[in-house]
Amino acid sequence: DAKTTQPNSMESNEEEPVHLPCNHSTISGTDYIHWYRQLPSQGPEYVIHGLTSNVNNRMASLAIAEDRKSSTLILHRATLRDAAVYYCILSTGGGADGLTFGKGTHLIIQP
Amino acid sequence: DTAVSQTPKYLVTQMGNDKSIKCEQNLGHDTMYWYKQDSKKFLKIMFSYNNKELIINETVPNRFSPKSPDKAHLNLHINSLELGDSAVYFCASSQSSWGPPYEQYFGPGTRLTVT
Repeated sequence: DAKTTQPNSMESNEEEPVHLPCNHSTISGTDYIHWYRQLPSQGPEYVIHGLTSNVNNRMASLAIAEDRKSSTLILHRATLRDAAVYYCILSTGGGADGLTFGKGTHLIIQP
Repeated sequence: DTAVSQTPKYLVTQMGNDKSIKCEQNLGHDTMYWYKQDSKKFLKIMFSYNNKELIINETVPNRFSPKSPDKAHLNLHINSLELGDSAVYFCASSQSSWGPPYEQYFGPGTRLTVT
């Protein structure tokens, strides 16, 4: 599986935007970029995914570099509820292979 | 209504016992998964089923046996429990395992403690 690299932790203030980076220099042409998050004592939760173009949904935006070797998850206005571990994951379509979670980024939100 | 539910939420048992964890999804999804999250918080896929048929069986000891009576249920039975089996087990489901990626919906987890 193609590997992703994320910072171990990041800190941000409430009501400010947060940019979570992910490097995936060995991404293949068929790999989708997925983001999931895990709040304390809960199961992972889907955030967003994309292939080549930037994507927006009600939770976040995903900005994908032109060469696809990196991406950034953008939380437009962080709340305390956004404090979680965020995982950047690559997978090739479908779900037959399951998801391979790395260490993720522990996002801390300061009030 | 809970989309993906697991029972029990907590399970404490002794080494050598046999136990089961149940999972149900009410989303009408075709594919279900079991993941294990160890004490270091790494999440790993164990099994996936599509329409009651096994698709993935990662390197998991034979003591672990998933069973899917219908596509809404995927249970995990564990024989001869060992200390190293202590972890949080998550069930998940997705619309399909083929074609473009579909988001996976995870259950709340079952914390298994083997003493």
